[in-house]
Amino acid sequence: DQQVKQNSPSLSVQEGRISILNCDYTNSMFDYFLWYKKYPAEGPTFLISISSIKDKNEDGRFTVFLNKSAKHLSLHIVPSQPGDSAVYFCAASASYGGATNKLIFGTGTLLAVQP
Amino acid sequence: GAVVSQHPSWVICKSGTSVKIECRSLDFQATTMFWYRQFPKQSLMLMATSNEGSKATYEQGVEKDKFLINHASLTLSTLTVTSAHPEDSSFYICSARNPTSANTGELFFGEGSRLTVL
Repeated sequence: DQQVKQNSPSLSVQEGRISILNCDYTNSMFDYFLWYKKYPAEGPTFLISISSIKDKNEDGRFTVFLNKSAKHLSLHIVPSQPGDSAVYFCAASASYGGATNKLIFGTGTLLAVQP
Repeated sequence: GAVVSQHPSWVICKSGTSVKIECRSLDFQATTMFWYRQFPKQSLMLMATSNEGSKATYEQGVEKDKFLINHASLTLSTLTVTSAHPEDSSFYICSARNPTSANTGELFFGEGSRLTVL
């Protein structure tokens, strides 16, 4: 049962344009969402997060939008840069344990930013 | 920022042998660490939650006797793949949450360990 889904396995965008990565979840207990970036043979690195009490969080070129009613979140990168090329994972957590909360990851989207 | 380190970064072993992977939190104490596994072009699958001083909590479908987890100190968790077989070949990643950022849910990940079983 895939509780967090990223339906687009890959996305190709021109440098300077906007990249939009989508994520859907099924568990209504999730109330914290994160985006991670991952290069091959490396651990994921944290990008940006959003709590369910918000519908938008922005950090530089990265903005995450959350639509709770649709159980959908998206990551916008603008402008996209070649260095953004990587696999992007969304992850979700339910606040029923504090430090022991486990993160459930989506299937990942490979972003390729073309120069 | 918080740093989580894994060792070894890659290991090749013969079928039937056991392999130990270490995960250390370098600048914070982690009572809880998480072990993930990633197959090529697939998601990170949570294997188990490692709890300092107590037994690990395994996810459904993960064999406890095959993937031994020990969390003997607040900065070290180990994953031992026992009697490894080629199907155990994968990328294993550990993670931990800095208690000061526990309420944000952010996990810090190690560099990962690539296991290849011949």
